[in-house]
Amino acid sequence: TQLLEQSPQFLSIQEGENLTVYCNSSSVFSSLQWYRQEPGEGPVLLVTVVTGGEVKKLKRLTFQFGDARKDSSLHITAAQPGDTGLYLCAGEAGNTPLVFGKGTRLSVIA
Amino acid sequence: KAGVTQTPRYLIKTRGQQVTLSCSPISGHRSVSWYQQTPGQGLQFLFEYFSETQRNKGNFPGRFSGRQFSNSRSEMNVSTLELGDSALYLCASSPGPLRGAREKLFFGSGTQLSVL
Repeated sequence: TQLLEQSPQFLSIQEGENLTVYCNSSSVFSSLQWYRQEPGEGPVLLVTVVTGGEVKKLKRLTFQFGDARKDSSLHITAAQPGDTGLYLCAGEAGNTPLVFGKGTRLSVIA
Repeated sequence: KAGVTQTPRYLIKTRGQQVTLSCSPISGHRSVSWYQQTPGQGLQFLFEYFSETQRNKGNFPGRFSGRQFSNSRSEMNVSTLELGDSALYLCASSPGPLRGAREKLFFGSGTQLSVL
């Protein structure tokens, strides 16, 4: 069974601070996706990384896929209250359904 | 384009009852997946349908079943409800038939099921 471990589980920071959340596995994935889920809503896809070592930027969010394709990180610069939510990573391996981590719950306080 | 629609949004049932949840995918999407989300276990895959055929099934008991209709709408059913079935049930659609990084999942807002 492929597992994705996300850390930290909870994170509470002040507006303007930087933060990094991690997604780790002992398994190799073909690709990793990051989602954000707000209360009362379903997850929304933020980015997909497919190449080992790949870095993608989405405004203040930077996503990195590890060289060995077993881990990924999400870095947020100058966090804002609108970044509050549950961040989920999901891995794809072969022709099987996505495997999701349990998420990092981020709270950004104004 | 309308998003993924799940009905009902909230449901309260008692142990032993059964429940049917509905999902209408984005127009033109032929693949529908169902996930169970709980605080302790996160998102766990239930099943996936493409063109009315179940392509994959997660590790859930036989009390959980689903189907997809010719218009791509999908339903899932849970029989003989248990307290542990309380969860947010999420449906996701994609154009299909490709999986993973090659296609995006679009999630609905979910059905919050409470079993008393």
